[in-house]
Amino acid sequence: GQSLEQPSEVTAVEGAIVQMNCTYQTSGFYGLSWYQQHDGGAPTFLSYNALDGLEETGRFSSFLSRSDSYGYLLLQELQMKDSASYFCAVSGNRDDKIIFGKGTRLHILP
Amino acid sequence: DTEVTQTPKHLVMGMTNKKSLKCEQHMGHRAMYWYKQKAKKPPELMFVYSYEKLSINESVPSRFSPECPNSSLLNLHLHALQPEDSALYLCASSQGSDSAFNQPQHFGDGTRLSIL
Repeated sequence: GQSLEQPSEVTAVEGAIVQMNCTYQTSGFYGLSWYQQHDGGAPTFLSYNALDGLEETGRFSSFLSRSDSYGYLLLQELQMKDSASYFCAVSGNRDDKIIFGKGTRLHILP
Repeated sequence: DTEVTQTPKHLVMGMTNKKSLKCEQHMGHRAMYWYKQKAKKPPELMFVYSYEKLSINESVPSRFSPECPNSSLLNLHLHALQPEDSALYLCASSQGSDSAFNQPQHFGDGTRLSIL
């Protein structure tokens, strides 16, 4: 089967750094994306990795290792507004669908 | 600014009503999607339109009927819904629908649907 695994919850302190992991098992692979969703809001695209390595966009970085079927999202200088759910999603080649992980709920403590 | 626009933002309807959800994008994307999302769950794919043709139907009950009038518009017609259909309905678009181009997906703000 096809699946993505993410920790259900992560707690971090304001101003700190947090890493949220995603491991995947899919029949094919084109890329790994990350989406942020605040309570009551819609998913917002954050980053996309098609190749191994680190992609950086401001306070957000995303990493991919295709050999390990693993990626992570790194958030630096955490702010209270970063409290949200973060979903990883894989574009595989089975039916050309995007497969979403169950999401990690990020709690930020002051 | 949201590049994918959904209307209405909220909808309350009875089980015998007929209503429609609307979605519009002007990014030139050729793929459009309907998702259903329950609280604390990931988006659940319902339908995919590729070049205005229905390419994926995830075995969605017939009380949900999608329509793609043109490359910028996507509708979801609702009829005889059940209380368990209450959810956030999200529209999304991407450059294409095949695996190389179905990300990133741009989501609308969604329609929060309540069935009485």
